[in-house]
Amino acid sequence: GAVVSQHPSWVICKSGTSVKIECRSLDFQATTMFWYRQFPKQSLMLMATSNEGSKATYEQGVEKDKFLINHASLTLSTLTVTSAHPEDSSFYICSASQGNTNYGYTFGSGTRLTVV
Amino acid sequence: AQSVSQHNHHVILSEAASLELGCNYSYGGTVNLFWYVQYPGQHLQLLLKYFSGDPLVKGIKGFEAEFIKSKFSFNLRKPSVQWSDTAEYFCAVNAKSTGRRALTFGSGTRLQVQP
Repeated sequence: GAVVSQHPSWVICKSGTSVKIECRSLDFQATTMFWYRQFPKQSLMLMATSNEGSKATYEQGVEKDKFLINHASLTLSTLTVTSAHPEDSSFYICSASQGNTNYGYTFGSGTRLTVV
Repeated sequence: AQSVSQHNHHVILSEAASLELGCNYSYGGTVNLFWYVQYPGQHLQLLLKYFSGDPLVKGIKGFEAEFIKSKFSFNLRKPSVQWSDTAEYFCAVNAKSTGRRALTFGSGTRLQVQP
């Protein structure tokens, strides 16, 4: 079945530094990637939607200059948390879709970011 | 905006007990509906999905869900749970006619099955 590889699985960084999270579709072409954030014991909150070769569409309240999303190819999307602060500590999950929603969604295993 | 409600936040059952987790959504148009499971330390896995047709959907691991349009509900059921079903369960909705492709998730239900 479809697999999405997300790296790193966890990362600790110092406040003020930037962190890049990669999300790769291994055996299919992901025309659309979704980035979610999950706080402890809460649901997944959509941060942004990106289509290959286009600028990402950010949800209301998500700072696009802080959370840089690149979707340069059909198999790779990256999320860069710039100038990270402790409040950015969270679990970030990517999800990839092949085409229309009838193809479903495949999720990465998530990245636990801790900013100290 | 669409929203998804999961009223059971934490459910504790004994093995072999029956399970029903509630999911209600607020959107009047056509929807795609999903149930995902997240085992500890693992990624979200699709249990089942409903796009159209028979409102009773069967998924993996003995789970099923019933779409009741009049009640805006998509409850998840399993007749007999196992210890290995201990996990977090998320209901999700995609509103087809909005053109919005992302999923909206419920807050999740933590299921704990005691041996």
